[in-house]
Amino acid sequence: DIVMTQTPLSSPVTLGQPASISCRSSQSLVHSDGNIYLNWLQQRPGQPPRLLIYKISNRFSGVPDRFSGSGAGTDFTLKISRVEAEDVGVYYCTQATQFPYTFGQGTKLDIK
Amino acid sequence: QVQLVESGGGVVQPGGSLRLSCAASGFTFSTYGMNWVRQAPGKGLEWVAFIRNDGNNKYYADSVKGRFTISRDNSKNTLYLQMNSLRPEDTAIYYCAKHLMGSWGTFDYWGQGTLVTVSS
Repeated sequence: DIVMTQTPLSSPVTLGQPASISCRSSQSLVHSDGNIYLNWLQQRPGQPPRLLIYKISNRFSGVPDRFSGSGAGTDFTLKISRVEAEDVGVYYCTQATQFPYTFGQGTKLDIK
Repeated sequence: QVQLVESGGGVVQPGGSLRLSCAASGFTFSTYGMNWVRQAPGKGLEWVAFIRNDGNNKYYADSVKGRFTISRDNSKNTLYLQMNSLRPEDTAIYYCAKHLMGSWGTFDYWGQGTLVTVSS
């Protein structure tokens, strides 16, 4: 199975400041179709997960442009340019290149 | 708009069975692959099972293989998860999640989840 490792596991940030979460996969995420299926999800307290970013850097419909994704190979990053109060929650990276689909442990983002 | 509504959760004894349902609306259900993903209390996400849009391909996490069965009824726009031989470690919120077209394994919409508690 592909192991997804996120850092940090907890990230206290100041409102209006940037935040960054890293995700490393234990092996290449290049699918046989040439794509890399590395996605980012946000889970606000008491809510189901919500798709933010798919295929490394594509923002899903309705996701604010302060969220961006990047990366290559086995290292990927989610960045929030200016954190807002509504961004509090847990962020997960997930790979869908091969079964079983796997998730990172989650990074808890809260406000200092 | 896309809606996914899970039902069927509850309290069951170890070794028991439950069948979860996920009613879909707001999109052409028969066109999309569907998944079950679970989250134990206070823990992270675990993918459970996938079924192709036509029901002909199914994949499972090792932790549930041989005990859980994913299925769908495209005429009823409903996804199912039959759970047998339940264990305490199966206690979790179970979410159904839809695939994003054109992006393999990307969960673009999720239901609110249904809680399954396995306890004597």
